[in-house]
Amino acid sequence: GAVVSQHPSRVICKSGTSVKIECRSLDFQATTMFWYRQFPKKSLMLMATSNEGSKATYEQGVEKDKFLINHASLTLSTLTVTSAHPEDSSFYICSARRAGGRSGANVLTFGAGSRLTVL
Amino acid sequence: SQELEQSPQSLIVQEGKNLTINCTSSKTLYGLYWYKQKYGEGLIFLMMLQKGGEEKSHEKITAKLDEKKQQSSLHITASQPSHAGIYLCGADDNNNDMRFGAGTRLTVKP
Repeated sequence: GAVVSQHPSRVICKSGTSVKIECRSLDFQATTMFWYRQFPKKSLMLMATSNEGSKATYEQGVEKDKFLINHASLTLSTLTVTSAHPEDSSFYICSARRAGGRSGANVLTFGAGSRLTVL
Repeated sequence: SQELEQSPQSLIVQEGKNLTINCTSSKTLYGLYWYKQKYGEGLIFLMMLQKGGEEKSHEKITAKLDEKKQQSSLHITASQPSHAGIYLCGADDNNNDMRFGAGTRLTVKP
């Protein structure tokens, strides 16, 4: 089955530093990957959609310069939280949509998530 | 944008009991997805419903789609502690991006 690996699962960093989170589709090619942020006891909030080889599309209210997304290949997307601050502490989850999927089917495969704590 | 409202927000049931979770959309549903999340982990895909009246089952979990009501329900029969977690419904918006409801936190007491 489709597997998405997200790394690291947990990261603690100092305020002002940058943190990179990787999202890899292990056994399929993903034309589109999504990045979500989840606050405690809240649902997933879509941050951005990244398509391989093009710029990411950010949701309203999400700072592009703060959350850099790169989707350089069909199996890898990265989210870099730049100049992290304590309010960036959250649970970040990526998901991937298989390339050439059946029309109308939007079944996504999710990574296990990355918990970021900014001190 | 499409909004999904889930109810209840949380649910505590005794093991063996049946339960239902609802998901109502503010717009027409073209595809409705149910996921389960254990706290602090990623999401596991449960089922996808695309046609009005469609009903799917996976083990003891059944989901239905009422297209006219723009609503889907997830029903668990004879709940077990392994069913505990957060259930999220998701739907495609106009841009084919998936939006999620706020989730229903299920606790099953042994």
